[in-house]
Amino acid sequence: KNQVEQSPQSLIILEGKNCTLQCNYTVSPFSNLRWYKQDTGRGPVSLTIMTFSENTKSNGRYTATLDADTKQSSLHITASQLSDSASYICVVSHNNAGNMLTFGGGTRLMVKP
Amino acid sequence: DGGITQSPKYLFRKEGQNVTLSCEQNLNHDAMYWYRQDPGQGLRLIYYSQIVNDFQKGDIAEGYSVSREKKESFPLTVTSAQKNPTAFYLCASSPPGLAFYNEQFFGPGTRLTVL
Repeated sequence: KNQVEQSPQSLIILEGKNCTLQCNYTVSPFSNLRWYKQDTGRGPVSLTIMTFSENTKSNGRYTATLDADTKQSSLHITASQLSDSASYICVVSHNNAGNMLTFGGGTRLMVKP
Repeated sequence: DGGITQSPKYLFRKEGQNVTLSCEQNLNHDAMYWYRQDPGQGLRLIYYSQIVNDFQKGDIAEGYSVSREKKESFPLTVTSAQKNPTAFYLCASSPPGLAFYNEQFFGPGTRLTVL
């Protein structure tokens, strides 16, 4: 069964601090891995997409890593801002067409001043 | 103003009633998707459509129906047969192109509450 597990479920950090969110997956066949940011009551917005041959990708203060051997990914947020408060969702594509997705339950991040 | 729109943002329904959620996109995307999001759980696929006049069941299609008569529209009907319809519903679309980077763009969502 295709599964995506994220940890921690929730996280509180102080503004300006760094944090790392984790994602483990058991998905086959693997096509790509995506990180989305979802503000409360809104739709998810893509942060990064990586294929199996990419082991790191950055988008501003967000850096995603992928280890296809251990089937793990992480999202590192640098110098957090209040606007980073949101849910971060790890999503793995599990078909060769790349459009069938398995979603993790998300990590809810709260950045406090 | 391009993108995906969903309406209404909030919807209340009495038990036993059917209700239709709207999803429109002006991105000229071929594929459209409907997901359901419950607290603490990952999004689950209800239905998807790769092309006009064609759609496929997702993982949790029971109690739902869709149509795809126009490229830009993919309405979802939540029927009275859906046992637990209270949830946040998200519509997404994706363009044709290289599958590995087949990005899905999400609408703002509709929160359905059954009274």
